[in-house]
Amino acid sequence: AQKITQTQPGMFVQEKEAVTLDCTYDTSDQSYGLFWYKQPSSGEMIFLIYQGSYDEQNATEGRYSLNFQKARKSANLVISASQLGDSAMYFCAMRLSGGYNKLIFGAGTRLAVHP
Amino acid sequence: EADIYQTPRYLVIGTGKKITLECSQTMGHDKMYWYQQDPGMELHLIHYSYGVNSTEKGDLSSESTVSRIRTEHFPLTLESARPSHTSQYLCASSPQGENIQYFGAGTRLSVL
Repeated sequence: AQKITQTQPGMFVQEKEAVTLDCTYDTSDQSYGLFWYKQPSSGEMIFLIYQGSYDEQNATEGRYSLNFQKARKSANLVISASQLGDSAMYFCAMRLSGGYNKLIFGAGTRLAVHP
Repeated sequence: EADIYQTPRYLVIGTGKKITLECSQTMGHDKMYWYQQDPGMELHLIHYSYGVNSTEKGDLSSESTVSRIRTEHFPLTLESARPSHTSQYLCASSPQGENIQYFGAGTRLSVL
């Protein structure tokens, strides 16, 4: 069965420091995609970063990078130089097999950035 | 990036009422999705569509129904709202050939 696990319900980080949010996944597919979304308290889901299973290099988007370790089935999100506006829920997601780009989501990690 | 519009943003309604949550996107994306999310919890797919006149049920059973008569419009309907339907409903779309889903701002539904 395909599954996403986020083991950190909540994380704290000091402003300007880096933080890693953990995500592990389970799938028997060879081709899959991994995503991270940010959800502020206002409720919308904001796409942050995407990693394809065949991508050899870790994805990066500005201050966000995805630490992809295929053998360990992990896809951790690294946020560098945290800002107060980074305080939000963060969800890891995986594209399911079978087409249509269906996603399954983890339970999320609530990040609080302290000044 | 897509422009996805959901209305209303907030809805408080009594038990037994019929409601329709609107979702529209302006980018011509062929695939659209509805997710249900309880506060602080993960999202669950309840409906999806890969084009006009195609709709499928998602992984989480839902009493809601959807329609896709036009590419840009994917409304969700509850014929008789119940307190158990209280949740946030998020709409998303994805263009052909791309993996990313783009989300609307969501509708927070409270059924009293």
